[in-house]
Amino acid sequence: GENVEQHPSTLSVQEGDSAVIKCTYSDSASNYFPWYKQELGKRPQLIIDIRSNVGEKKDQRIAVTLNKTAKHFSLHITETQPEDSAVYFCAARGGGNKLTFGTGTQLKVEL
Amino acid sequence: GAGVSQSPSNKVTEKGKDVELRCDPISGHTALYWYRQSLGQGLEFLIYFQGNSAPDKSGLPSDRFSAERTGGSVSTLTIQRTQQEDSAVYLCASTSGTFGGEKLFFGSGTQLSVL
Repeated sequence: GENVEQHPSTLSVQEGDSAVIKCTYSDSASNYFPWYKQELGKRPQLIIDIRSNVGEKKDQRIAVTLNKTAKHFSLHITETQPEDSAVYFCAARGGGNKLTFGTGTQLKVEL
Repeated sequence: GAGVSQSPSNKVTEKGKDVELRCDPISGHTALYWYRQSLGQGLEFLIYFQGNSAPDKSGLPSDRFSAERTGGSVSTLTIQRTQQEDSAVYLCASTSGTFGGEKLFFGSGTQLSVL
C-alpha cells in the first residue's frame, strides 16, 4: 500500500520568512496530492492540491511542487504570518482511491 | 445537513466495553473515510467506503474494529472490547467521489477515552 513520509515534524520560522514542508510517497500510481491544515482543536481543512499531470500550483502565498520521478512533493508558504501556525498534513491518493496522510508538520510562526 | 456530522462528540468508556461511533456525511457524497488521530499524532487511515463497492478495510488495526455504511449514507464505526490504546479522536470525512471533487470534508470528530 501507499506510504507517505513527511518532514520536518516541527518547523519554526520568523514572521515574514518562508516555510517548506516535504513529503515522499511510495506508490508510483498515486495521482492526487492534497495538503491539509489543522489548527489547534479544529478539523483539517484543504488548503491546496495538485494532480500528477502538473508540476507546480500556486494560490497566493501557498505553492505546491511535485516531482513524479523522485516521488516527492513539497508545500511552500511565503511571507509567513502568525495565522499560518498550525499542523500541516500532506497526503497521496494511490490505487483504489484511498487517501493516505503523512505524519504532519507542526509549523510555528514567531513574531 | 450542511456539513459532516459525528456523534457523540465525546465518549468515555471502560476497558472491555463496546462503543459505536456515528458519522452522517454530506448529502450526496458517495465516498466516506474514517481516520484515527491520537494526541499530537497524524491521521491514521482506518476504512474507506465508495458507493456500492466493497470497502477498503486495510487500515483497521484489529478484528475488534468494524464499520458499516447503510444505504450509502450514515456510517457506524464499532470498536469491541475497547482497550486503552484505542483512546483517540476518530474523524470521519466525506467527498463527492468524483473527479475534481476529491476535497475531504471532515466532521468535528469523536474524542474516545478508554479508562
